[in-house]
Amino acid sequence: EDQVTQSPEALRLQEGESSSLNCSYTVSGLRGLFWYRQDPGKGPEFLFTLYSAGEEKEKERLKATLTKKESFLHITAPKPEDSATYLCAVDPYGQNFVFGPGTRLSVLP
Amino acid sequence: ETGVTQTPRHLVMGMTNKKSLKCEQHLGHNAMYWYKQSAKKPLELMFVYSLEERVENNSVPSRFSPECPNSSHLFLHLHTLQPEDSALYLCASSQGTATGELFFGEGSRLTVL
Repeated sequence: EDQVTQSPEALRLQEGESSSLNCSYTVSGLRGLFWYRQDPGKGPEFLFTLYSAGEEKEKERLKATLTKKESFLHITAPKPEDSATYLCAVDPYGQNFVFGPGTRLSVLP
Repeated sequence: ETGVTQTPRHLVMGMTNKKSLKCEQHLGHNAMYWYKQSAKKPLELMFVYSLEERVENNSVPSRFSPECPNSSHLFLHLHTLQPEDSALYLCASSQGTATGELFFGEGSRLTVL
């Protein structure tokens, strides 16, 4: 069964304190892995798509990387406005998206 | 603005009411989805439509009834819901069901009393 787990469940950082979020997945075949940001009471906002191991994508303070079993979302020098829940999802061949439970990030000023 | 608009943003209904959620996408996509998001649970896929045909019905109770009159509009008709159906209902669209990212609306927060 296709599965996605994310860790930690919640993360509290001081402004400027860099860290990483983890997304581990088990799928029979991976078409793509997606990162989303979700603010409270709103829909997920698309951030990145990664297709193959070794691929990296960057956007402002965020960088996503992919290996054969996991993906990391690195946050460099975060700001309070980066506080949100970050969702990881995989797109397995022949199946619908499978979402992880998310990591709730709080960045304190 | 994601190009996917959901109305209403908030809905409170009794267990005997009938209401509908509406979704409209302005992205020219061919696939549309309904997801349910409950507290501390991953997004749950409810229904998938591709070119106005339902291609997935993920064991959803019959008190939820989807309708897709054209590739830009998607409805979720609600009747005789239970309190445990209270959740954020998200509409999404994609280029096709086999490729591409999902683009989500802002969601409809449903409370069943």
